[in-house]
Amino acid sequence: DAGVIQSPRHEVTEMGQEVTLRCKPISGHNSLFWYRQTMMRGLELLIYFNNNVPIDDSGMPEDRFSAKMPNASFSTLKIQPSEPRDSAVYFCASCLRGLADTQYFGPGTRLTVL
Amino acid sequence: AQTVTQSQPEMSVQEAETVTLSCTYDTSESNYYLFWYKQPPSRQMILVIRQEAYKQQNATENRFSVNFQKAAKSFSLKISDSQLGDTAMYFCAFGVYNQGGKLIFGQGTELSVKP
Repeated sequence: DAGVIQSPRHEVTEMGQEVTLRCKPISGHNSLFWYRQTMMRGLELLIYFNNNVPIDDSGMPEDRFSAKMPNASFSTLKIQPSEPRDSAVYFCASCLRGLADTQYFGPGTRLTVL
Repeated sequence: AQTVTQSQPEMSVQEAETVTLSCTYDTSESNYYLFWYKQPPSRQMILVIRQEAYKQQNATENRFSVNFQKAAKSFSLKISDSQLGDTAMYFCAFGVYNQGGKLIFGQGTELSVKP
């Protein structure tokens, strides 16, 4: 299995620009999670989906952040407009059913907003 | 509120020695599970080991084992015969059954294995 795939691996953009991060979960997994990792705040859960439906988005920092999962094999996290404080590593993870299953992480996207 | 605390920000160990990383958690739930994840410099999050709270037996995976003390809400990771490739950030994580698979992570312990 290819594992969780994220793209791009690195993104450098300027403040005010729109950023879209992409994730392909492991085939057959029904739950998908987006995390943000920073030195100051550690690993934070932003949002998660079960069967393509957003279940909990309480971790999304503000309206500039949005996430979609149009089908079982693809999800996006969009930041518009981006700000320097959004600079972080963003991880996507998936698991089989979302009840108590082990999460498997993608390689992450390192975002730098100048 | 559920919390996970890793009180050791940094640790070091000599190659081939044994090291124990600490983790404590706080919850009022009874049905939960715990993980240790490893994040090497490549930043990939890698599952190390999983423990079900309802199991009394401590989980083991080759050189990695846990000491799960449910009453004390403690979940430490022991790495035996440390190898240079074990150098990484280690995260303890906690999840509750039927909460959609959400995990709460500790702040991490940075482990350096020295030759």
